[in-house]
Amino acid sequence: EAQVTQNPRYLITVTGKKLTVTCSQNMNHEYMSWYRQDPGLGLRQIYYSMNVEVTDKGDVPEGYKVSRKEKRNFPLILESPSPNQTSLYFCASSFPPESPLHFGNGTRLTVT
Amino acid sequence: GENVEQHPSTLSVQEGDSAVIKCTYSDSASNYFPWYKQELGKRPQLIIDIRSNVGEKKDQRIAVTLNKTAKHFSLHITETQPEDSAVYFCAASPLYGSSNTGKLIFGQGTTLQVKP
Repeated sequence: EAQVTQNPRYLITVTGKKLTVTCSQNMNHEYMSWYRQDPGLGLRQIYYSMNVEVTDKGDVPEGYKVSRKEKRNFPLILESPSPNQTSLYFCASSFPPESPLHFGNGTRLTVT
Repeated sequence: GENVEQHPSTLSVQEGDSAVIKCTYSDSASNYFPWYKQELGKRPQLIIDIRSNVGEKKDQRIAVTLNKTAKHFSLHITETQPEDSAVYFCAASPLYGSSNTGKLIFGQGTTLQVKP
């Protein structure tokens, strides 16, 4: 089954404790991206990757890192999480970029 | 920077009526305009998309229109049903040169409620 898998689904952490949200797709898509969803603000792009070792900033990259060492995986790293990063996060993939995005199930992150 | 404005933020209609959601974008280089539907507690899913070389596209009860001159595009849902109740997001993707950049700018979302 074609899918994008994110883990974990729910995460509660404390300020400053490094965390990683994993994202994996099995569709051999070159394009992957991360979004955060906040009430009234819609979906905002954090980072995207056009291919292995090619990443670029979206609209709200501050406080986040990503890596793309393999085509299937695109982890989101928060080196020092802060409460304003409490949000619902979605990973997505597609090919080419201007085609329907396949979203993961989302990760609800709470930073206290 | 690039921006997509979406209106209204909430929309309530009676079953069977039509619903229209409008979006305007700032980057004239945008060439791909998808619409996503997100049901409560679920992931967004594409319902229709349009590219800049087309002015209108229809898929059963759903249609999207694009006015490149005015930089706005709209989603039209006819004969609404209770299962159309969801949050709808528009988005725009800019093109630079001959390639899409990978950037995708979403609108703020519209919560559609269809009353039976």
